[in-house]
Amino acid sequence: AQSVTQPDIHITVSEGASLELRCNYSYGATPYLFWYVQSPGQGLQLLLKYFSGDTLVQGIKGFEAEFKRSQSSFNLRKPSVHWSDAAEYFCAVGAQGSNYKLTFGKGTLLTVNP
Amino acid sequence: NAGVTQTPKFQVLKTGQSMTLQCAQDMNHNSMYWYRQDPGMGLRLIYYSASEGTTDKGEVPNGYNVSRLNKREFSLRLESAAPSQTSVYFCASSLDTDQPQHFGDGTRLSIL
Repeated sequence: AQSVTQPDIHITVSEGASLELRCNYSYGATPYLFWYVQSPGQGLQLLLKYFSGDTLVQGIKGFEAEFKRSQSSFNLRKPSVHWSDAAEYFCAVGAQGSNYKLTFGKGTLLTVNP
Repeated sequence: NAGVTQTPKFQVLKTGQSMTLQCAQDMNHNSMYWYRQDPGMGLRLIYYSASEGTTDKGEVPNGYNVSRLNKREFSLRLESAAPSQTSVYFCASSLDTDQPQHFGDGTRLSIL
């Protein structure tokens, strides 16, 4: 069975600092990988996705993520964080051919200090 | 373009009451999903509908039923609500089951 681990429950960074949110997955074959962001009281918004090809994927709002098969990781990065990035971030893994079997991590809450 | 619309946004029920959560999408998506989100648990799939006319159980289906009314609408029903079903419920849709899912804003349900 597939699984996702987000090791950091809560991260605090200063505005303008760089950010890296960690995601490790467990899946037997090549997975579909996603990062979603959830602002308070809102639904989840897709930041970026990896299906195949280039392992460095660009997303919205200046985010990027890198798929590293050897480390079973799909970490999310941003070079300079803005106060509006404060939210909860979810990594998810899907099985190729059956994306309905999305498994979500438990989320990382990002706080941005001015 | 509204995307995925969920109603109601908030609801308080008493134990044993029934309730239907509504979801509609205007993106002509084939697949629709219901999740629940609990603190520290991430999102867990309750039911999904790969295409109009089909529904299947997800990870946590007990206590719930669904209806794919047409291509646009997918409802979730609690026949006899229990306090353990207090949660935030999200509906999502995708073009097909192997495409990214788009989420509604959620229904916050409290069962006393």
